[in-house]
Amino acid sequence: ETGVTQTPRHLVMGMTNKKSLKCEQHLGHNAMYWYKQSAKKPLELMFVYSLEERVENNSVPSRFSPECPNSSHLFLHLHTLQPEDSALYLCASSQGVTASSGNTIYFGEGSWLTVV
Amino acid sequence: AQTVTQSQPEMSVQEAETVTLSCTYDTSESNYYLFWYKQPPSRQMILVIRQEAYKQQNATENRFSVNFQKAAKSFSLKISDSQLGDTAMYFCAFGGAQKLVFGQGTRLTINP
Repeated sequence: ETGVTQTPRHLVMGMTNKKSLKCEQHLGHNAMYWYKQSAKKPLELMFVYSLEERVENNSVPSRFSPECPNSSHLFLHLHTLQPEDSALYLCASSQGVTASSGNTIYFGEGSWLTVV
Repeated sequence: AQTVTQSQPEMSVQEAETVTLSCTYDTSESNYYLFWYKQPPSRQMILVIRQEAYKQQNATENRFSVNFQKAAKSFSLKISDSQLGDTAMYFCAFGGAQKLVFGQGTRLTINP
C-alpha cells in the first residue's frame, strides 16, 4: 500500500484527446511533484507545488497543465500531446520542498501514458 | 548546478552475493542529503536509505549500507546477502537547497 496514489495506472490517448492524470497523497505532506520518466533518461522534474502554490515549472510544454486544488491532490491535464510524450509519469510528495532539510520524497506507482 | 553520476548502467550478481553500486556527485553546498531509491519492475520508486552530509557515520538499513566519502563526493550503496527481490533500478539522488537531483540509474539484476 502506498501513501501516494495515482490514477489511471495506464492511459492510451490520441494526439487530439484531452485527458487528466490524478494524484492523491495520504501522508499529510505540503509539497507535491510531477516527474516524467522516459527510457534511458534521468528522471525529469516537471512541476513542484508547495502549499498549493506552484514553485517550479521546468520549461514544460504548455500541453501539460498542472492543477493543485489542495495539498492532498494534484492533477496533470493533458491535451494535444505528441508521441514523444509517451512515458511513465510519477507523482510524489514530501513534507517540504527543501531537500537539504531532509525532506524525503515519496512516490506513487506511476501512470503509464502512451500517445498514439 | 548539482550533478549526480552513476557510472554503472547495469550490474548483475548471484543471489546471496554482496554488490556495491557507485554514485558520485558534484556540489558546492555544505548542507545536503543523499538518497538511494529503488524502482522494482512494479515501478514504484521506494526510498532505500538516506544520509545526512554532516553525519560522518554511514547510514545502514538492514542489508543496505552506504559508504559516504564527503571529500571525494562519493556515495555508494552496498547490498549484502542480495535477494531476488533486490532486482530493480537503483537511483542515487542529491538533495540540496533546491530540487532533488537524480542520477541516471543502475539496473541491478540478482540471478538465482
